[in-house]
Amino acid sequence: DGGITQSPKYLFRKEGQNVTLSCEQNLNHDAMYWYRQDPGQGLRLIYYSQIVNDFQKGDIAEGYSVSREKKESFPLTVTSAQKNPTAFYLCATGAQPQHFGDGTRLSIL
Amino acid sequence: GNSVTQMEGPVTLSEEAFLTINCTYTATGYPSLFWYVQYPGEGLQLLLKATKADDKGSNKGFEATYRKETTSFHLEKGSVQVSDSAVYFCALRNSGYALNFGKGTSLLVTP
Repeated sequence: DGGITQSPKYLFRKEGQNVTLSCEQNLNHDAMYWYRQDPGQGLRLIYYSQIVNDFQKGDIAEGYSVSREKKESFPLTVTSAQKNPTAFYLCATGAQPQHFGDGTRLSIL
Repeated sequence: GNSVTQMEGPVTLSEEAFLTINCTYTATGYPSLFWYVQYPGEGLQLLLKATKADDKGSNKGFEATYRKETTSFHLEKGSVQVSDSAVYFCALRNSGYALNFGKGTSLLVTP
């Protein structure tokens, strides 16, 4: 069954802790993206990758890091430097159109 | 730069009412335009798209026409159903890969 798998669905972070959100795809898409969604603000781009071993910062990259070691995987790490990490995080793949995963909701303990 | 402006929500309609959600954009060149829908607790699903001026995207009774002269891509449906209750996002893609999204419009359809 083709698609984009984000895990976990819910994630809790303690103060000073880094957490990693998983995004896996079997759509054979080169491009992958991470967006952050806050209520009333739409989606904002955190990082994107157009090809393996390459990625670029989006509009709100501070406090986040990514890697793209495999075509299928684009994990996002929310570091302790991100002071307001509570949000809904969406992974997307493809170009036109983009396809979205079901999201991970991150909350602070 | 690129930007998308959507009408403020929430929009509340009775079942079978006519729906319009306004979307205007600012972009250089000729962007592609999209409407995405998000149901509660889920990711975004592509609803429809248009890639050039005067194109009409349509799907599940929803329509939107790419109007270059007014830089608009308004979403319409002739008769909404309760199951259409969701958040609707207008988006554009210009050069590059990433999408620019509007802030979303929440729609609630009541029986």
